[in-house]
Amino acid sequence: AQSVTQLDSQVPVFEEAPVELRCNYSSSVSVYLFWYVQYPNQGLQLLLKYLSGSTLVKGINGFEAEFNKSQTSFHLRKPSVHISDTAEYFCAVIPFGRTALIFGKGTTLSVSS
Amino acid sequence: DAGVIQSPRHEVTEMGQEVTLRCKPISGHNSLFWYRQTMMRGLELLIYFNNNVPIDDSGMPEDRFSAKMPNASFSTLKIQPSEPRDSAVYFCASRSVRNTEAFFGQGTRLTVV
Repeated sequence: AQSVTQLDSQVPVFEEAPVELRCNYSSSVSVYLFWYVQYPNQGLQLLLKYLSGSTLVKGINGFEAEFNKSQTSFHLRKPSVHISDTAEYFCAVIPFGRTALIFGKGTTLSVSS
Repeated sequence: DAGVIQSPRHEVTEMGQEVTLRCKPISGHNSLFWYRQTMMRGLELLIYFNNNVPIDDSGMPEDRFSAKMPNASFSTLKIQPSEPRDSAVYFCASRSVRNTEAFFGQGTRLTVV
């Protein structure tokens, strides 16, 4: 069975500070990896995805993530956050040969001034 | 494209009543997913369809839940009878065969009193 673990349920940070949201996964097969963002009372929006190739992936809004196969991790980073980045962030995988996303429990990023 | 459209956005109903949630996927997408989001369990896959055919309904919590996809542009999730523990946000998502990521609707917030 596959699972996704987001190591921090809440991450408070000050505006313009760097941030890292951690994600580890467990799977017996290779996976595609995703980060989604959910703003209050909204649906989920794709931030970035890793399918193959370069392990450093850049997404929207200045976010990036790095795939580490040996550590089965896909951590999300941003060098300088804004108040508008306050949201819930979800890491997810799709195992090869499957169709549906498997989500982690989410990390609440709270950016304050 | 208008994206994935869900209705209603909010639903408040009394315990024991039937509830029907509706979803219109993005045109041309051939996979459709229903997810439930709660504080305790996060985002759970309930069921998904490929080409209007249910493929995996192992996430449907019990027989009170049913889902249909009569054509490529419409799906319903029905709960009968509803119970307070069904209160959650229900998301519909769709995906095309050419892409790996799923696109989510705005969700339906269901409250059963």
